[in-house]
Amino acid sequence: DTEVTQTPKHLVMGMTNKKSLKCEQHMGHRAMYWYKQKAKKPPELMFVYSYEKLSINESVPSRFSPECPNSSLLNLHLHALQPEDSALYLCASSQVAGTENYEQYFGPGTRLTVT
Amino acid sequence: AQKITQTQPGMFVQEKEAVTLDCTYDTSDPSYGLFWYKQPSSGEMIFLIYQGSYDQQNATEGRYSLNFQKARKSANLVISASQLGDSAMYFCAMREGRGTASKLTFGTGTRLQVTL
Repeated sequence: DTEVTQTPKHLVMGMTNKKSLKCEQHMGHRAMYWYKQKAKKPPELMFVYSYEKLSINESVPSRFSPECPNSSLLNLHLHALQPEDSALYLCASSQVAGTENYEQYFGPGTRLTVT
Repeated sequence: AQKITQTQPGMFVQEKEAVTLDCTYDTSDPSYGLFWYKQPSSGEMIFLIYQGSYDQQNATEGRYSLNFQKARKSANLVISASQLGDSAMYFCAMREGRGTASKLTFGTGTRLQVTL
C-alpha cells in the first residue's frame, strides 16, 4: 500500500474561519511533509516532521499550525487565512527524513480557496 | 540562485515517440539525490525515478530513464514510447543535506503534451 490520503479534497473558507487539513499514511513512514502549490508553480515546502517531531519550518506564517499526533497522521490547522493562501496543499511521506534515496509519496492534495 | 533549472516550459511529442525533458542542478554538497515526479491535472505528484549522486549507472524504471551527467550537473528524463496518458506536468527535484535538515527542492516544471 503506497497510498497517502488527504481530506478534504476541496475546502472553501472565510478569512475568520478555523479549519484543519488531514493527512494519513500507513506505510510505516517516519517522515511527513506539508507543501503548498500555487497554480502553475512547483510545490514549496512548508513543514517537515521526523519521528513525530517538527524538524523543518520554512518560515511559514503562524496562521498555519502543523500537528503530528502520531506516526501515521499529519494535520495542518488553519486560522485567519488570507486570500493569497488559496492553493493546493500537498502532504507527503517518506521512509526517513534526510536519507537521500528515499522518495516522497504524495497525497492527492486539498484544494483550498480562501474568500 | 536557482538550484534546479528546467528550461522547457512546454513540450510536444507524438504518441510512440521518445522525448527528453531537461533538468540541470546546482549544489556544492557531494551527496545528493535527484528525482522526477509527474503531476497530472488531478494534482497528485507521482514519483517516477531516482538517481543518487554516487550511482555509477543511469537509473531506469520501465519506460523512464534518467540521463545523468554529473560533470555537467544534468539529470534529463527520457520517456520512451510516449503514451497519451503521459500528458502532464513533470518536475525535477533535488534533495540535499542529511538528517532532519534535508529537504526537496523542485524545478519550475515542464508541461508535456502527447499528441496522436
